[in-house]
Amino acid sequence: GAGVSQTPSNKVTEKGKYVELRCDPISGHTALYWYRQSLGQGPEFLIYFQGTGAADDSGLPNDRFFAVRPEGSVSTLKIQRTERGDSAVYLCASSYPGKGGNEQFFGPGTRLTVL
Amino acid sequence: AQSVTQLGSHVSVSEGALVLLRCNYSSSVPPYLFWYVQYPNQGLQLLLKYTSAATLVKGINGFEAEFKKSETSFHLTKPSAHMSDAAEYFCAVSLHNAGGTSYGKLTFGQGTILTVHP
Repeated sequence: GAGVSQTPSNKVTEKGKYVELRCDPISGHTALYWYRQSLGQGPEFLIYFQGTGAADDSGLPNDRFFAVRPEGSVSTLKIQRTERGDSAVYLCASSYPGKGGNEQFFGPGTRLTVL
Repeated sequence: AQSVTQLGSHVSVSEGALVLLRCNYSSSVPPYLFWYVQYPNQGLQLLLKYTSAATLVKGINGFEAEFKKSETSFHLTKPSAHMSDAAEYFCAVSLHNAGGTSYGKLTFGQGTILTVHP
């Protein structure tokens, strides 16, 4: 079966522009996560959806970042007024949560470069 | 809050030598622990996980890790390194409720790049 897919794979934008990053999770996975990985760092949690609702958005750095998952499947991460510091690889993961530790399946990421 | 520290951002071993990648965690309650591997230009892949069962956990590709509560450690080992093991490895932690259901988000360490030379 297909894994987690993310589009685009690369995005170059100019400072101040708006960008949208898309994540298509594994079919049937109810949980979806967004992480951000800066160069030389481990992934940092941004937001977690359970179904259509954001169960935990404590990792969003500020109000320029927003994410939606309107039908409980595909999710879009939206960044307004991009800044050079937003440059990173944005990772999406999905899982079928439950007891015993949910294995999160990661997509290949979207590399965002803000010029 | 929980945190993860990976000692050594780069580890270099000879092919056939022991691999030891160190991970220490900080958590107010016993967490779930994970090791992920990231090959160049690929997504993160789960190697193994500890979920309060056996303290010695075996994963894919011959890797294993031992949970030591007294040392708050979850070091990753492999008896004999192979060239194909060259990658970046991440230790991660998540919390869970009393019933064992994970709270979801993973907190990652900064990663260890493993180099294997002939």
